[in-house]
Amino acid sequence: AQSVTQLDSHVSVSEGTPVLLRCNYSSSYSPSLFWYVQHPNKGLQLLLKYTSAATLVKGINGFEAEFKKSETSFHLTKPSAHMSDAAEYFCVVSTGGYNKLIFGAGTRLAVHP
Amino acid sequence: EADIYQTPRYLVIGTGKKITLECSQTMGHDKMYWYQQDPGMELHLIHYSYGVNSTEKGDLSSESTVSRIRTEHFPLTLESARPSHTSQYLCASSERTEYSPLHFGNGTRLTVT
Repeated sequence: AQSVTQLDSHVSVSEGTPVLLRCNYSSSYSPSLFWYVQHPNKGLQLLLKYTSAATLVKGINGFEAEFKKSETSFHLTKPSAHMSDAAEYFCVVSTGGYNKLIFGAGTRLAVHP
Repeated sequence: EADIYQTPRYLVIGTGKKITLECSQTMGHDKMYWYQQDPGMELHLIHYSYGVNSTEKGDLSSESTVSRIRTEHFPLTLESARPSHTSQYLCASSERTEYSPLHFGNGTRLTVT
């Protein structure tokens, strides 16, 4: 069975400091993993995806994530937070096409001046 | 800007009314999806479609129904709305290729009084 756990429901950082959003997954098969971002009153937008190629994945807006099989983790990072990064972030796991996507509960990122 | 459109953005309606949430996409995507999202919670798939005249129920049981008569249009209908249907409904689409990114609409926030 698949599952995904986002370890923090809320993360607060100061502008210009690093961002770390943590995600652990559980999967019986080789998973594909995604991070989506949702700004207030908007739909979700794909940030990046891992599909068994390079373990370090670069996404949009300076975000990147590293797939660590030994730790079953796929944490999202950004070196320097910007005010516009304030949003809800969802970690997603899939082992069988998009009708088998499992979404995490989300992490709300707040960025303070 | 979104190429997938949902209307209405907000809907407040009384118990027992029939409602249809509209979703249209201009990208020619074969696959379309409806997700339900409660505040602070993960997304749950309630319906999906792989193409015209194809509809399937998702992981979360829902009293809603969908239709896919045209590629670009994937409406969701509730025959008799109840307060338990209060939620945000997100429509998404993707190309046929596996692991193609999901494109989300901005959602419909439904409140049933």
